[in-house]
Amino acid sequence: GAVVSQHPSRVICKSGTSVKIECRSLDFQATTMFWYRQFPKQSLMLMATSNEGSKATYEQGVEKDKFLINHASLTLSTLTVTSAHPEDSSFYICSARGAGQGVIGQNTEAFFGQGTRLTVV
Amino acid sequence: KQEVTQIPAALSVPEGENLVLNCSFTDSAIYNLQWFRQDPGKGLTSLLLIQSSQREQTSGRLNASLDKSSGRSTLYIAASQPGDSATYLCAVESSGDKLTFGTGTRLAVRP
Repeated sequence: GAVVSQHPSRVICKSGTSVKIECRSLDFQATTMFWYRQFPKQSLMLMATSNEGSKATYEQGVEKDKFLINHASLTLSTLTVTSAHPEDSSFYICSARGAGQGVIGQNTEAFFGQGTRLTVV
Repeated sequence: KQEVTQIPAALSVPEGENLVLNCSFTDSAIYNLQWFRQDPGKGLTSLLLIQSSQREQTSGRLNASLDKSSGRSTLYIAASQPGDSATYLCAVESSGDKLTFGTGTRLAVRP
């Protein structure tokens, strides 16, 4: 399957600082990228969807000014957690998919990065 | 709103057993359903993707079935091995290019 690389895998930051997480599709062009958050022993919750060259679409309850998403190219999306607080500590996972056939998203698999464990102290 | 449920939440079996993981979803209007594996502290590995027009997919010891009308999918693992121990997640794509994930089944295969 296709490879999605997420960096860093772990990060510890001080409260009030910002952290940037990168998500790269290594061997395909990702027309759409997704950012998820996962709490311990819970499932993935979609935070936002981004299409290359356009603004991200955030899910209800997700603060767009706090979680800045940039999808500047077909192989790179970044999530910046601004003014991080301890409650932002979580496991963040990105996903990418290429162009589908017919309706966007149909018939294409979603490939996931390795995840980033963020700890805010 | 699509909701995805997985049963059981946790499962422990001895090595060699065949087992079935269940996934149900409330809205049958889906594009596809995917099964993933997640190891502790890691990302997701895609196992099988079933399009809405398909009834099953097979990969090695894994077989996934889909009954869209009843809102159910099963993942069958044959001859389980300790290396199969992980959390298994199912996810459905129903609209807007988004995946809705189930709560997962934590599988432990005892040597």
